[in-house]
Amino acid sequence: QFQLVQSGAEVKKPGSSVKVSCKASGGTLNTHPISWVRQAPGQGLEWMGGIIPFFSAPNYAQMFQGRVTITTDKSTSTAYMELSSLRSEDTAVYYCARGNPQWEPFYYYYIDIWGEGTAVTVSS
Amino acid sequence: QSALTQPASVSGSPGQSITISCTGTSNDIGSYNIVSWYQQHPGKAPKLMIYEVIKRPSGVSNRFSGSKSGNTASLTISGLQAEDEADYYCCSYVGGVVFGGGTKVTVL
Repeated sequence: QFQLVQSGAEVKKPGSSVKVSCKASGGTLNTHPISWVRQAPGQGLEWMGGIIPFFSAPNYAQMFQGRVTITTDKSTSTAYMELSSLRSEDTAVYYCARGNPQWEPFYYYYIDIWGEGTAVTVSS
Repeated sequence: QSALTQPASVSGSPGQSITISCTGTSNDIGSYNIVSWYQQHPGKAPKLMIYEVIKRPSGVSNRFSGSKSGNTASLTISGLQAEDEADYYCCSYVGGVVFGGGTKVTVL
């Protein structure tokens, strides 16, 4: 059964960076896009960006452009999300999620499997 | 601000049916059947309930159904149960993933 296993909770100082990992178990990331979604305390889901294996280049939400880097290591079926210049407002649970690719009417995907989430706290 | 608009809260009594709306535009929901719905219980990861407007993944109760009219998609929960109390998010794809703001469902 396919699962996404994320790295553990992090506590970071403002201005620093955090890198969260997401390892596929029971399958690979070679054919499925991976998205990163965050959820601040008491708030809704916010898509940060994703990476599509066929297109290689990641796609970031505008509000995270320049601060987020999403990569994958196909050899270990692990995805990574690095967020830099952290501030207190970045305190949230960060989820990786697998996309189920579709090709009509154009290439898109819907998220079908989620990781358990990684809590990141930014505090001085 | 979310590109998809949902009501903040919806409530109903056990056994009743409730409907959660998700309003987009003619450029997303209005033009394509790219709408999914997620259920999230407190402290848990979201769970896929509906995809491509009306399809249910294996294992999801048939009490959950999706529909669409114009620029608005809807999730209906029939025979409301206590375990359905959760947050629900709609989602589409417009050059990337877009979520609604979420709707808190309360079972009275």
